[in-house]
Amino acid sequence: ETGVTQSPTHLIKTRGQQVTLRCSSQSGHNTVSWYQQALGQGPQFIFQYYREEENGRGNFPPRFSGLQFPNYSSELNVNALELDDSALYLCASSLTDIPNSPLHFGNGTRLTVT
Amino acid sequence: EDQVTQSPEALRLQEGESSSLNCSYTVSGLRGLFWYRQDPGKGPEFLFTLYSAGEEKEKERLKATLTKKESFLHITAPKPEDSATYLCAVGAGGTSYGKLTFGQGTILTVHP
Repeated sequence: ETGVTQSPTHLIKTRGQQVTLRCSSQSGHNTVSWYQQALGQGPQFIFQYYREEENGRGNFPPRFSGLQFPNYSSELNVNALELDDSALYLCASSLTDIPNSPLHFGNGTRLTVT
Repeated sequence: EDQVTQSPEALRLQEGESSSLNCSYTVSGLRGLFWYRQDPGKGPEFLFTLYSAGEEKEKERLKATLTKKESFLHITAPKPEDSATYLCAVGAGGTSYGKLTFGQGTILTVHP
């Protein structure tokens, strides 16, 4: 069984630039969620995608956007990067068909904005 | 607004010295309480889901319990390989299953 994989593992961007992070869900999982984890903090929910549509969003501005593809892989896009966007970005997949199916996380992309 | 507070922020134990981690929560209709373990440079790894007060779950040296306001993660006779950050999270009823509210974590260090 293939787990959740994310790419790239590390990324350095300049303030004002745009970034795209990628995620491949665990085999058979139809739902993907994205989280932001600042240093020393717990993960914070950004949004969830199910059947290629966003169906839940946390307190993040519209410059955070995403896509889910028919093969359940996903992208997180962040426009107009700010210094505070520096964090570990985690992707998690789950099976919505099973209530409370636990989230399975990838190892994240470490984004540094300078 | 859902809230999760974990204590202590950091805990240092000697190998074999049992202890407990606390997770206090407020949520509008608990869908589930989740415990995760996170190693440095890795994503969180799922440990347990608890659904209702009085429920308990065990895995090796770990035991999780749940009340209406708190959850405890008991660690019995810990080993150095148990060193990690332990995260508690809640899912609220009526929200998407992918949305969890996490605490800030407890950093556990077990010395040999």
